Amino acid sequence: AQSVAQPEDQVNVAEGNPLTVKCTYSVSGNPYLFWYVQYPNRGLQFLLKYITGDNLVKGSYGFEAEFNKSQTSFHLKKPSALVSDSALYFCAVSRHNTDKLIFGTGTRLQVFP
Amino acid sequence: EPEVTQTPSHQVTQMGQEVILRCVPISNHLYFYWYRQILGQKVEFLVSFYNNEISEKSEIFDDQFSVERPDGSNFTLKIRSTKLEDSAMYFCASAGAGSLYNEQFFGPGTRLTVL
Repeated sequence: AQSVAQPEDQVNVAEGNPLTVKCTYSVSGNPYLFWYVQYPNRGLQFLLKYITGDNLVKGSYGFEAEFNKSQTSFHLKKPSALVSDSALYFCAVSRHNTDKLIFGTGTRLQVFP
Repeated sequence: EPEVTQTPSHQVTQMGQEVILRCVPISNHLYFYWYRQILGQKVEFLVSFYNNEISEKSEIFDDQFSVERPDGSNFTLKIRSTKLEDSAMYFCASAGAGSLYNEQFFGPGTRLTVL
């Protein structure tokens, strides 16, 4: 069965510094990987996805993620954090293009001024 | 920009009562999903729906749950007899039918409180 692990409950970073939110996955076959962000009292907003191709994918709001097959990881990164990036971030995996999403437990990102 | 909408935003009900949560997916989407998030926990898959039938359901989605697409626009989740543990945020999502993959777009959620 597929699963996602987000080892950090919270990540704290100063504004302007680079940020990384970690995600590892387990799935049989080739993974479809996603990052979603959740702001308070809002739904889940799609940030980016990896399906195939270049291991570095770029998404919304300056975020990017690197797919690493050997480490089964899909870490979310941003070169320079903004206070407005503070939110709850979820990594998710699926097995094919209409499959359900399996989410990690989420990582709260706190960016301090 | 098209978006998924959900009503109501907050539903309070008594244990044992029936509730219907409503969703309006993005208009040209063909795949529909319900997820839930118990407070402080991760988002969990409930059910997927395509071509007017359930594609897959989780073990959470027992006989108390049902889904329906009563017309061309709405997608509903019914809980027949609510339990305290059904209290959660319920998210609807929809996806199109693309050649490679179309990501799922989520609604803002309905917070269900069972007393």
